[in-house]
Amino acid sequence: DVKVTQSSRYLVKRTGEKVFLECVQDMDHENMFWYRQDPGLGLRLIYFSYDVKMKEKGDIPEGYSVSREKKERFSLILESASTNQTSMYLCASSFPQGASYEQYFGPGTRLTVT
Amino acid sequence: GDSVTQMEGPVTLSEEAFLTINCTYTATGYPSLFWYVQYPGEGLQLLLKATKADDKGSNKGFEATYRKETTSFHLEKGSVQVSDSAVYFCALSDRGSSASKIIFGSGTRLSIRP
Repeated sequence: DVKVTQSSRYLVKRTGEKVFLECVQDMDHENMFWYRQDPGLGLRLIYFSYDVKMKEKGDIPEGYSVSREKKERFSLILESASTNQTSMYLCASSFPQGASYEQYFGPGTRLTVT
Repeated sequence: GDSVTQMEGPVTLSEEAFLTINCTYTATGYPSLFWYVQYPGEGLQLLLKATKADDKGSNKGFEATYRKETTSFHLEKGSVQVSDSAVYFCALSDRGSSASKIIFGSGTRLSIRP
Protein backbone atom coordinates (compact mmCIF):
# COMPACT_ATOMS: atom_id res chain seq x y z
CA ASP A 1 0.00 0.00 0.00
CA VAL A 2 1.12 3.52 -0.76
CA LYS A 3 1.87 5.42 2.39
CA VAL A 4 1.92 9.19 2.63
CA THR A 5 2.63 10.52 6.09
CA GLN A 6 2.51 14.04 7.47
CA SER A 7 4.55 15.15 10.45
CA SER A 8 1.69 16.37 12.61
CA ARG A 9 -2.08 15.89 12.72
CA TYR A 10 -2.66 19.06 14.72
CA LEU A 11 -0.45 22.13 15.08
CA VAL A 12 -0.94 25.43 16.88
CA LYS A 13 1.40 28.31 16.07
CA ARG A 14 1.56 32.01 16.81
CA THR A 15 1.35 34.80 14.26
CA GLY A 16 4.76 35.56 12.78
CA GLU A 17 6.28 32.16 13.53
CA LYS A 18 8.03 30.17 10.82
CA VAL A 19 6.17 26.90 10.32
CA PHE A 20 7.37 23.71 8.66
CA LEU A 21 4.96 21.02 7.49
CA GLU A 22 6.63 17.79 6.44
CA CYS A 23 5.35 15.12 4.08
CA VAL A 24 6.97 11.77 3.32
CA GLN A 25 5.93 9.13 0.79
CA ASP A 26 7.30 5.62 0.52
CA MET A 27 6.43 4.69 -3.08
CA ASP A 28 9.18 6.42 -5.03
CA HIS A 29 6.70 8.86 -6.58
CA GLU A 30 8.13 11.68 -8.67
CA ASN A 31 5.23 14.08 -8.12
CA MET A 32 4.26 15.62 -4.81
CA PHE A 33 1.64 18.23 -3.99
CA TRP A 34 0.53 20.53 -1.18
CA TYR A 35 -3.11 21.61 -0.89
CA ARG A 36 -5.09 23.54 1.63
CA GLN A 37 -8.71 22.71 2.34
CA ASP A 38 -11.18 25.26 3.66
CA PRO A 39 -14.95 24.99 4.15
CA GLY A 40 -16.80 26.00 1.01
CA LEU A 41 -13.61 26.35 -1.03
CA GLY A 42 -12.69 22.71 -1.58
CA LEU A 43 -9.04 21.83 -2.21
CA ARG A 44 -6.71 24.50 -3.51
CA LEU A 45 -3.26 23.69 -4.82
CA ILE A 46 -0.45 25.63 -3.15
CA TYR A 47 2.70 24.16 -4.73
CA PHE A 48 3.75 21.00 -6.47
CA SER A 49 6.99 19.29 -7.38
CA TYR A 50 7.70 16.91 -10.26
CA ASP A 51 11.27 16.03 -9.32
CA VAL A 52 13.88 16.63 -6.65
CA LYS A 53 14.61 20.36 -6.38
CA MET A 54 11.95 21.10 -8.99
CA LYS A 55 8.84 22.99 -7.93
CA GLU A 56 6.05 25.00 -9.45
CA LYS A 57 3.50 27.36 -8.01
CA GLY A 58 -0.06 26.22 -7.78
CA ASP A 59 -3.13 28.39 -7.53
CA ILE A 60 -2.44 30.05 -4.17
CA PRO A 61 1.33 30.17 -3.49
CA GLU A 62 1.42 33.54 -1.74
CA GLY A 63 2.80 33.31 1.78
CA TYR A 64 4.20 29.81 1.25
CA SER A 65 7.39 28.21 0.00
CA VAL A 66 8.44 24.58 -0.46
CA SER A 67 11.51 22.42 -0.36
CA ARG A 68 12.21 19.08 -2.03
CA GLU A 69 15.76 17.98 -1.28
CA LYS A 70 15.00 14.26 -1.38
CA LYS A 71 12.57 12.40 -3.58
CA GLU A 72 10.48 11.05 -0.72
CA ARG A 73 10.12 14.30 1.24
CA PHE A 74 8.27 17.51 0.40
CA SER A 75 8.13 20.33 2.92
CA LEU A 76 5.74 23.27 3.04
CA ILE A 77 7.07 26.39 4.75
CA LEU A 78 5.08 29.29 6.10
CA GLU A 79 7.73 32.01 6.39
CA SER A 80 5.67 34.16 8.75
CA ALA A 81 2.43 32.53 9.77
CA SER A 82 -0.73 34.60 9.71
CA THR A 83 -4.22 33.89 11.00
CA ASN A 84 -5.59 33.55 7.46
CA GLN A 85 -3.34 30.52 7.03
CA THR A 86 -5.37 28.60 9.61
CA SER A 87 -6.53 25.62 7.58
CA MET A 88 -6.29 21.90 6.88
CA TYR A 89 -3.17 21.12 4.85
CA LEU A 90 -3.07 18.00 2.71
CA CYS A 91 -0.07 16.44 1.03
CA ALA A 92 -0.33 14.05 -1.92
CA SER A 93 1.94 12.13 -4.27
CA SER A 94 1.59 10.42 -7.65
CA PHE A 95 3.43 8.64 -10.43
CA PRO A 96 4.35 10.84 -13.38
CA GLN A 97 3.12 8.46 -16.06
CA GLY A 98 0.39 6.00 -16.76
CA ALA A 99 -3.16 6.47 -17.76
CA SER A 100 -4.72 7.68 -14.57
CA TYR A 101 -2.41 10.07 -12.64
CA GLU A 102 -4.23 9.27 -9.41
CA GLN A 103 -2.93 10.97 -6.29
CA TYR A 104 -2.43 9.41 -2.88
CA PHE A 105 -3.10 11.61 0.12
CA GLY A 106 -1.74 11.88 3.62
CA PRO A 107 -4.04 12.25 6.66
CA GLY A 108 -3.74 16.04 6.77
CA THR A 109 -2.39 18.59 9.24
CA ARG A 110 -4.87 20.91 10.88
CA LEU A 111 -2.96 24.14 11.50
CA THR A 112 -4.26 26.87 13.77
CA VAL A 113 -2.48 30.23 13.82
CA THR A 114 -3.36 32.41 16.80
CA GLY B 1 -9.43 25.90 -18.43
CA ASP B 2 -10.52 22.50 -17.26
CA SER B 3 -13.05 22.39 -14.45
CA VAL B 4 -15.33 20.11 -12.45
CA THR B 5 -18.81 20.96 -11.23
CA GLN B 6 -20.51 18.76 -8.70
CA MET B 7 -23.76 18.78 -6.85
CA GLU B 8 -23.84 21.04 -3.85
CA GLY B 9 -24.53 19.53 -0.50
CA PRO B 10 -25.21 18.67 2.09
CA VAL B 11 -27.12 15.60 0.99
CA THR B 12 -29.01 13.76 3.72
CA LEU B 13 -30.49 10.31 3.11
CA SER B 14 -31.90 7.48 5.15
CA GLU B 15 -30.04 4.19 5.39
CA GLU B 16 -30.68 1.88 2.38
CA ALA B 17 -31.72 4.79 0.14
CA PHE B 18 -30.40 5.15 -3.42
CA LEU B 19 -27.65 7.70 -3.86
CA THR B 20 -26.74 9.86 -6.84
CA ILE B 21 -24.19 12.67 -6.67
CA ASN B 22 -23.97 14.53 -9.96
CA CYS B 23 -20.67 15.55 -11.52
CA THR B 24 -19.98 17.22 -14.86
CA TYR B 25 -16.69 18.35 -16.28
CA THR B 26 -15.15 20.64 -18.86
CA ALA B 27 -11.88 19.54 -20.38
CA THR B 28 -9.85 19.62 -23.53
CA GLY B 29 -8.64 16.20 -24.54
CA TYR B 30 -9.42 13.01 -22.69
CA PRO B 31 -8.90 13.27 -18.95
CA SER B 32 -9.12 10.47 -16.43
CA LEU B 33 -11.97 10.92 -13.96
CA PHE B 34 -12.02 10.14 -10.26
CA TRP B 35 -14.17 10.07 -7.19
CA TYR B 36 -12.37 10.62 -3.91
CA VAL B 37 -13.91 10.24 -0.45
CA GLN B 38 -12.91 12.01 2.77
CA TYR B 39 -14.11 10.53 6.04
CA PRO B 40 -14.26 12.82 9.10
CA GLY B 41 -10.80 13.85 10.31
CA GLU B 42 -8.96 12.06 7.51
CA GLY B 43 -7.27 12.78 4.19
CA LEU B 44 -8.77 11.92 0.81
CA GLN B 45 -8.93 8.35 -0.44
CA LEU B 46 -9.45 7.29 -4.02
CA LEU B 47 -12.88 5.66 -4.25
CA LEU B 48 -12.98 4.81 -7.95
CA LYS B 49 -11.67 5.95 -11.31
CA ALA B 50 -12.25 5.69 -15.06
CA THR B 51 -9.62 6.40 -17.67
CA LYS B 52 -11.59 6.47 -20.93
CA ALA B 53 -15.07 6.99 -22.31
CA ASP B 54 -17.68 4.38 -21.35
CA ASP B 55 -15.45 2.94 -18.62
CA LYS B 56 -17.26 2.16 -15.39
CA GLY B 57 -15.39 2.54 -12.14
CA SER B 58 -16.67 0.66 -9.10
CA ASN B 59 -15.69 0.08 -5.49
CA LYS B 60 -17.48 -0.65 -2.18
CA GLY B 61 -20.86 -0.70 -3.95
CA PHE B 62 -20.30 2.70 -5.57
CA GLU B 63 -20.28 3.09 -9.36
CA ALA B 64 -19.66 5.85 -11.89
CA THR B 65 -19.59 5.73 -15.69
CA TYR B 66 -17.42 8.02 -17.84
CA ARG B 67 -19.92 9.63 -20.25
CA LYS B 68 -18.12 11.64 -22.89
CA GLU B 69 -21.28 12.67 -24.75
CA THR B 70 -22.71 14.33 -21.63
CA THR B 71 -19.32 15.13 -20.01
CA SER B 72 -20.53 13.52 -16.82
CA PHE B 73 -19.30 11.10 -14.15
CA HIS B 74 -22.18 10.72 -11.69
CA LEU B 75 -21.61 8.69 -8.52
CA GLU B 76 -24.28 6.12 -7.60
CA LYS B 77 -24.89 3.56 -4.88
CA GLY B 78 -27.92 1.36 -4.62
CA SER B 79 -28.22 1.18 -0.83
CA VAL B 80 -26.27 3.56 1.38
CA GLN B 81 -25.09 2.83 4.91
CA VAL B 82 -24.38 5.10 7.86
CA SER B 83 -20.68 4.39 7.32
CA ASP B 84 -20.89 6.10 3.90
CA SER B 85 -21.27 9.48 5.61
CA ALA B 86 -18.35 11.52 4.28
CA VAL B 87 -17.42 14.25 1.80
CA TYR B 88 -17.17 13.12 -1.84
CA PHE B 89 -15.00 14.86 -4.43
CA CYS B 90 -15.26 14.48 -8.18
CA ALA B 91 -11.98 15.18 -9.99
CA LEU B 92 -10.22 15.01 -13.34
CA SER B 93 -6.60 14.70 -14.38
CA ASP B 94 -5.02 17.72 -16.01
CA ARG B 95 -2.89 15.98 -18.60
CA GLY B 96 -1.47 19.25 -19.85
CA SER B 97 0.34 20.03 -16.61
CA SER B 98 3.97 19.25 -15.88
CA ALA B 99 3.14 17.06 -12.90
CA SER B 100 -0.18 15.56 -13.87
CA LYS B 101 -2.22 17.73 -11.60
CA ILE B 102 -5.75 16.82 -10.57
CA ILE B 103 -8.58 19.35 -10.63
CA PHE B 104 -11.11 18.79 -7.85
CA GLY B 105 -14.74 19.74 -7.53
CA SER B 106 -15.86 21.57 -4.42
CA GLY B 107 -17.04 18.43 -2.63
CA THR B 108 -20.45 17.11 -1.57
CA ARG B 109 -21.10 16.30 2.07
CA LEU B 110 -23.24 13.18 2.50
CA SER B 111 -24.99 12.31 5.77
CA ILE B 112 -26.84 9.03 6.23
CA ARG B 113 -29.50 8.72 8.93
CA PRO B 114 -29.93 5.33 10.64
